Parts: sequence; structure tokens; C-alpha cells
Amino acid sequence: DQQVKQNSPSLSVQEGRISILNCDYTNSMFDYFLWYKKYPAEGPTFLISISSIKDKNEDGRFTVFLNKSAKHLSLHIVPSQPGDSAVYFCAAGITGANSKLTFGKGITLSVRP
Amino acid sequence: DGGITQSPKYLFRKEGQNVTLSCEQNLNHDAMYWYRQDPGQGLRLIYYSQIVNDFQKGDIAEGYSVSREKKESFPLTVTSAQKNPTAFYLCASSTFPTQTGNEQFFGPGTRLTVL
Repeated sequence: DQQVKQNSPSLSVQEGRISILNCDYTNSMFDYFLWYKKYPAEGPTFLISISSIKDKNEDGRFTVFLNKSAKHLSLHIVPSQPGDSAVYFCAAGITGANSKLTFGKGITLSVRP
Repeated sequence: DGGITQSPKYLFRKEGQNVTLSCEQNLNHDAMYWYRQDPGQGLRLIYYSQIVNDFQKGDIAEGYSVSREKKESFPLTVTSAQKNPTAFYLCASSTFPTQTGNEQFFGPGTRLTVL
């Protein structure tokens, strides 16, 4: 049973426009969420996180929105740049229970020049 | 210059041979993890350790073994019992106990190919 779902495997956007990457979860115990970016043959790098007590967190061009009632979060990238082209993973965790994160399958973002 | 190192970057082995992947961190993190990435599968947790001399199975532990004798090191052995060992293996670490926003830091990965 997949507890973190990224249902769209890929997304293509024009440079300068907004990229919106979506993520859904089923486990209501998750209380923090993270987004990672990954280039081929490299390890993922942390982008941004959000606690369940917030509905928005912003860091430069990256903003994560959380809708707890819908069990849905999204990552907005504005403006999108060609260097943003990568695989983006959504992950979720439970504070204090253990240190595990549950990852989605990832979304491949392509930003067209 | 703190971080996580994995060696080697590429590894080739013959079918039926055990192979050990190295993971070292100098971030003073208590917790360490091993993931496997396959195309279209995302990151799947193999084993994790929250403290020295203790570790737990993840979602896909069959055919793998680990040890955690030192805080800095968490080697993964891919045994001959692993039916489909060819994959990209990622090691990560984090502080523990977990708290909101406590991200895992990843190494560069090891690409294992079994011939």
C-alpha cells in the first residue's frame, strides 16, 4: 500500500512559468513533509519541508503548500529555470516515532528553454 | 567539509557473489539509512539504524544485510539471495530522534550491476 503518491510521472513547463508538482498521502499520522530534487546518477538533495501545523512554507523560488484535510501537498517553483529539470520526490515522516521517511515514486520535471 | 561518502561509484559483480557497499558520514548523525532506486519505483528503504549496534529492516530487506559497529559507518552487503540486485543504491543520514523538518542527507550513490 503506497502511503505517499505522486500520480503524475512527468511534467513539462516553459522556462519562466510556474511548475506545480503534486503529492498525496494516505497516512494521517504523517506530520511533516519534505521535497527532494534528484539529478540522474546522483543522490537526492533536500529542497524544502513543511510541518503539519503550517499550510505554507516558502524558500526563494520554492513554495510548498499543505492541505491536511485533503491529505495533499504541492511544490510550486516560480519562475521555472532549465536547471530545475530533475526528478522531484515527495517524502513524509512522523515526529519522534522513528526516523523513517516514506517517499513517493517521483515526478520528472522538464523545463523547456 | 561534512558529508556522506559512498564508494565505489560503479560496481560490477558476477551473479552469485556477495558484495559490500560502503557508506561513511562525518555529520555526527545518529541515524543512517540504505535505499534502493529502480526506474519508476522511487526510493525504497532497505535497512535503517538509529543508534550504533542496532538496526531495523525496511520495506525490502530480503537478500541484504547491514552492520552498525561505528556511528560513522553503515555498510550494506548485497547477498546472493537478492534476486534482482542490479540497482542504484543510496545511503543517507539524519539526526535522531526525528523532529519536524529533520531532513535526511544523501550520499552520491553506488550503481551496482550484476552480470
